Amino acid sequence: GESVGLHLPTLSVQEGDNSIINCAYSNSASDYFIWYKQESGKGPQFIIDIRSNMDKRQGQRVTVLLNKTVKHLSLQIAATQPGDSAVYFCAERAGGYNKLIFGAGTRLAVHP
Amino acid sequence: DAGITQSPRYKITETGRQVTLMCHQTWSHSYMFWYRQDLGHGLRLIYYSAAADITDKGEVPDGYVVSRSKTENFPLTLESATRSQTSVYFCASSVGAGNTIYFGEGSWLTVV
Repeated sequence: GESVGLHLPTLSVQEGDNSIINCAYSNSASDYFIWYKQESGKGPQFIIDIRSNMDKRQGQRVTVLLNKTVKHLSLQIAATQPGDSAVYFCAERAGGYNKLIFGAGTRLAVHP
Repeated sequence: DAGITQSPRYKITETGRQVTLMCHQTWSHSYMFWYRQDLGHGLRLIYYSAAADITDKGEVPDGYVVSRSKTENFPLTLESATRSQTSVYFCASSVGAGNTIYFGEGSWLTVV
């Protein structure tokens, strides 16, 4: 199993800086990847997704990069704000029925 | 736009009792899912459903029963609750097999 909560890796950034959250995925056959944000006491919230035929996708203040060669996914958040403080999960889909495998999560702490 | 509604949000029950967690979605999504989130294990899939009357096991189905008589509802039943089933339960849905999965706000279950 993977660790969350007390054993969660934490990224601390200053407000206004850019944040980069990394994720290593496990299955080279995965064809779809999603980043979720989870605030305390709430459900995971969709941020951005990317399919395996792409290596970059941009949203509002967020960019996801996919490196299939090393099975690595990253989420970049521009001009990080206090409201971005949360746990961020990457998820990969390796099956045709939309089963997602979640990563351990990274806690992002934004300091004023 | 109600989205996904879970009930109850918080529940304390005794070992051996039957508990049902309700999930209702207003998007007419075909796929629905139940996940549990625990310290040390992240998010794990319990059961999923591709359409009404079609359900299948996920990663950790033992001790749980689901049904899907209507597209919009996907209740999860713990037939005889055990302390190991103390967890946060998330219902989720997606339009189809290759689409984004959206989560509800979670149901906090404590088995004493």
